[in-house]
Amino acid sequence: AQTVTQSQPEMSVQEAETVTLSCTYDTSESDYYLFWYKQPPSRQMILVIRQEAYKQQNATENRFSVNFQKAAKSFSLKISDSQLGDAAMYFCAYRSVITQGGSEKLVFGKGTKLTVNP
Amino acid sequence: GAGVSQSPSNKVTEKGKDVELRCDPISGHTALYWYRQSLGQGLEFLIYFQGNSAPDKSGLPSDRFSAERTGGSVSTLTIQRTQQEDSAVYLCASSLVLGANYGYTFGSGTRLTVV
Repeated sequence: AQTVTQSQPEMSVQEAETVTLSCTYDTSESDYYLFWYKQPPSRQMILVIRQEAYKQQNATENRFSVNFQKAAKSFSLKISDSQLGDAAMYFCAYRSVITQGGSEKLVFGKGTKLTVNP
Repeated sequence: GAGVSQSPSNKVTEKGKDVELRCDPISGHTALYWYRQSLGQGLEFLIYFQGNSAPDKSGLPSDRFSAERTGGSVSTLTIQRTQQEDSAVYLCASSLVLGANYGYTFGSGTRLTVV
């Protein structure tokens, strides 16, 4: 079974600075999807960025980018020019490409609480 | 609707009572998923629906938990004889098709407190 590990329960960053959130995963599959979700106090999980394992290029969405190291099974999220609105829980998630046998589910890490200091 | 809607937003119930949690997915989304988020934990997968069918119910934590989906739309998660360990946020998500590679759209969840 796949597992996702986020080793940083909490992180803090100064407004306008850059922060990197870590995520590692374990899988025997060669193709899969990886996601970062943001959960503000409203509780709604918001998709921040996604990466397809077969694509070597790191995904980027505005101030958010990932460092995807497939061999190391690492998928870190970098937030540049941090803003107060970035404060939230961030979850890393894994999903199989194959849609059968329960693999449709997202497997989540336990999350990292990000605080942005003014 | 425009987003995934869940009701109630918060629910406090007495131990031993039954509760029903509702999820109204985005119109046209055929796949629907339920997750549970306990305090300090990540999200635990419970069950998914493809249309009205739930092919895999193994994620449900006990036989007190059941879910159904009617008309390919609204889903209800029912917890019978609630226990304190059932206290959690229950999140619903939907996607246009099963296994969509763009991720899922989540609702804001129902916070269940069993006292």
